[in-house]
Amino acid sequence: KAGVTQTPRYLIKTRGQQVTLSCSPISGHRSVSWYQQTPGQGLQFLFEYFSETQRNKGNFPGRFSGRQFSNSRSEMNVSTLELGDSALYLCASSLDLAGETQYFGPGTRLLVL
Amino acid sequence: GDSVTQMEGPVTLSEEAFLTINCTYTATGYPSLFWYVQYPGEGLQLLLKATKADDKGSNKGFEATYRKETTSFHLEKGSVQVSDSAVYFCALSDRTYNTDKLIFGTGTRLQVFP
Repeated sequence: KAGVTQTPRYLIKTRGQQVTLSCSPISGHRSVSWYQQTPGQGLQFLFEYFSETQRNKGNFPGRFSGRQFSNSRSEMNVSTLELGDSALYLCASSLDLAGETQYFGPGTRLLVL
Repeated sequence: GDSVTQMEGPVTLSEEAFLTINCTYTATGYPSLFWYVQYPGEGLQLLLKATKADDKGSNKGFEATYRKETTSFHLEKGSVQVSDSAVYFCALSDRTYNTDKLIFGTGTRLQVFP
């Protein structure tokens, strides 16, 4: 079974631009979560989606948004990029919202100049 | 709120040495506990997990026991290899709240030398 895939793997943007990251979960998984990893803040939860609905949201500004499609694929969007948004963005999928194990993709590394 | 505290790194060991990475947690509900490992330039890989008190998770020679009385989930390995060099993250997921959201510790870098 294929793992979680994320595209693109690397991205360079400039301040003020917006970016969209994509995540395809493991086949059969219905829950997708996003995390931001930075050297200073570590791993922080962004949001969690299940059946196309956002079920949980972390403490990030409204510039960060996401959605989930009917096939469970998910996208996250960051508008008006800031230098501090440079990070590794990790997507994880799980079967459902019952305390299941999350499996992570390789991440998208975003650099904002 | 829920939280995870890990020992500071880096942990530097010689090959075949015994490894312990301490992890303690605070949770209001009934958490599941996890250890994830991250190799350079990669995402997170699940190493092991435990879902209730006294459960022992194990994988690839690594073990951790869910200790509710001490709110701990320490990672151990009897004999480390150079290939174990990576960053290790302890995490919890509190299924009481119908979520798979993970709360992570800060990570502990392990460096194993031949």
